[in-house]
Formats: sequence, C-alpha cells, structure tokens
Amino acid sequence: NAGVMQNPRHLVRRRGQEARLRCSPMKGHSHVYWYRQLPEEGLKFMVYLQKENIIDESGMPKERFSAEFPKEGPSILRIQQVVRGDSAAYFCASSPRLADPYEQYFGPGTRLTVT
Amino acid sequence: DAKTTQPNSMESNEEEPVHLPCNHSTISGTDYIHWYRQLPSQGPEYVIHGLTSNVNNRMASLAIAEDRKSSTLILHRATLRDAAVYYCILRDGVSNYQLIWGAGTKLIIKP
Repeated sequence: NAGVMQNPRHLVRRRGQEARLRCSPMKGHSHVYWYRQLPEEGLKFMVYLQKENIIDESGMPKERFSAEFPKEGPSILRIQQVVRGDSAAYFCASSPRLADPYEQYFGPGTRLTVT
Repeated sequence: DAKTTQPNSMESNEEEPVHLPCNHSTISGTDYIHWYRQLPSQGPEYVIHGLTSNVNNRMASLAIAEDRKSSTLILHRATLRDAAVYYCILRDGVSNYQLIWGAGTKLIIKP
C-alpha cells in the first residue's frame, strides 16, 4: 500500500514563475491537507480539500495561492508569481475520514526554492 | 485552539528510555492528544494519540495526566533512528481537523 506521494521533491523557481506541487493521497483516502513549513518551525495549515471541493482554505494566502483536488488525479497546490518568501517545504497529508481522531499520513514534502 | 508547551530540545543516551513532556493546560474535553515526529528532511510521521487513558503501541507509550493538563511520550529504548523533532498536538475530535503545530522538541540521541 503506497504512502502519500508528492512530486517533485525539490523545485527551484525564479521570482515571478509559477510553482505547481502535486500530491497523491494514500489509496482509499479522500481528504487532503496541505501544510507549509519554514526552517526550524512547525507546520502551518494551509488548506483542506475533498474530491472536487475546497473545505477550508483559511490558512492560504489570499493572493497567488490556489489548490484543487479533482475527481481524477492528484491534488495540486499552485503558487503563481513566486517570491523569495515562498521558499519553504510544502507537505501534504491525507486521511480517510473527516474529523477523525486518527492520524493524518504525510508525504515526503516538496522543497521549494525561489531564486 | 488549545496550545501545547514543549521543551526546545532534550538529550538521551542510546538504549535508554526517553520521556518527552508536553503541557496543555487549556485542553478541552473533546481534544485528542496527538504526537508526531519528523526525522531530518522527511515528512512528519504519526506516533500515537490518546484522549484520557494511557495508550501503548509498537512505537511508544503515551501517559496522560489525570487532569489531562499534561502528557508524556515515552520511548522505551531509544535508538539513533529515534533522533527527530517530536510534536505534541491537540486536535478537537468533534469539529476540528486542523493540526496546530508548535515548534516541537528536538530529541538528540547520544551513542
């Protein structure tokens, strides 16, 4: 049973370019969460999605960031016109059920570097 | 959201037990206590969770104070592979799916 998969693992973008991060949840999981982590800090919640629905995007910056989880295919976190401050590790997690006290399963992360 | 307080770092010798403390004095009755760990350059990994009673699994034990204002993660025999940042997180089991992360405790294992 494959775990959560994220690609690419490392992404380098110049200021102003677009970054597209992909996340494939564990088999059977329909809930996806995206987190951002700056160096030496804990993770910060960004967005929670179910298939074709954004449930909570309260942690997403209002501009340049968007997320989707289509009926088919991986969840995508898109950052338009990247700036240096977007450099961070982005993790996605999946879970089988909403508001379930069981664990969220995390992917290995995508490390975004903006030059 | 209820907050947790953990020491910034702890050291332990290999093959010895490790007790990682967490204070959560504002915990509510529906908050679950979750522990995750993050090895260097990896995604977080679930360790254990509990509500009121002590919990054991193959990775660790979780001891929860009777008033639930604190808890302790116990690694029974630490190995070098247990060196990681350990996060104690509260999550409302009724309405909140978000995991609110603090800075965690960096566990250093000495050979």
